Amino acid sequence: EVQLVQSGAEVRKAGETLKISCKTSGYSFNTYWIAWVRQMPGKGLEWMGIIYPGDFDTRYSPSFQGHVTISADKSINTAYVQWSSLKASDTATYYCARAREPGSLTGPISNWGQGTLVTVTS
Amino acid sequence: DIQMTQSPSSLSASVGDRVTITCRASQTINDYLNWYQQKPGKAPNLLIYAASSLQSWVPSRFSGNGSGTDFTLTITSLQPEDFATYYCQQSYNTPQTFGQGTKVEIK
Repeated sequence: EVQLVQSGAEVRKAGETLKISCKTSGYSFNTYWIAWVRQMPGKGLEWMGIIYPGDFDTRYSPSFQGHVTISADKSINTAYVQWSSLKASDTATYYCARAREPGSLTGPISNWGQGTLVTVTS
Repeated sequence: DIQMTQSPSSLSASVGDRVTITCRASQTINDYLNWYQQKPGKAPNLLIYAASSLQSWVPSRFSGNGSGTDFTLTITSLQPEDFATYYCQQSYNTPQTFGQGTKVEIK
């Protein structure tokens, strides 16, 4: 069974750093793209970026480029997104999600983590 | 970036109603169009991919259509479990982008 299990809720202050994780199991981690998606409170879904763990090829939305870093650790089948300086506007639920087909950057997302709520206070 | 515009933003419907949601892309995306269903407090679930292919768990009352720039999601007989928010997403290129969502509420 494919599973994506995300780290727990976080509360941070503006300006602090944060790294949240997405531990995967049940499939070949190296061969599926993993995306990160933001959902601000009461709002819609925003695609942040995507990583291919096999060669660490990473693509970002211009809206998030330079503000977050997406990474992966093949040794523990885990993907990450991190912030070096949080803002209050980063308060949101963040989802990791796996592509439906191996190697496909143009396919849908079929498996989602449960979400990580990040609260940033000013 | 490719902009995805859904309409309506929300709708009220009764059980048994036929519901259609539209999604328009700002440029052609062939059939790289996906639909997701999200219920409150839960992660989204993939409903339809490649414009018209149903994910395995999805009942046949759901259907998707379209190609190029204009797409539709239709629910032929709305059931109580279908009340949710629906999002379209283009996966034609990066950054992949979502529509703003359509909330389907009970009338």
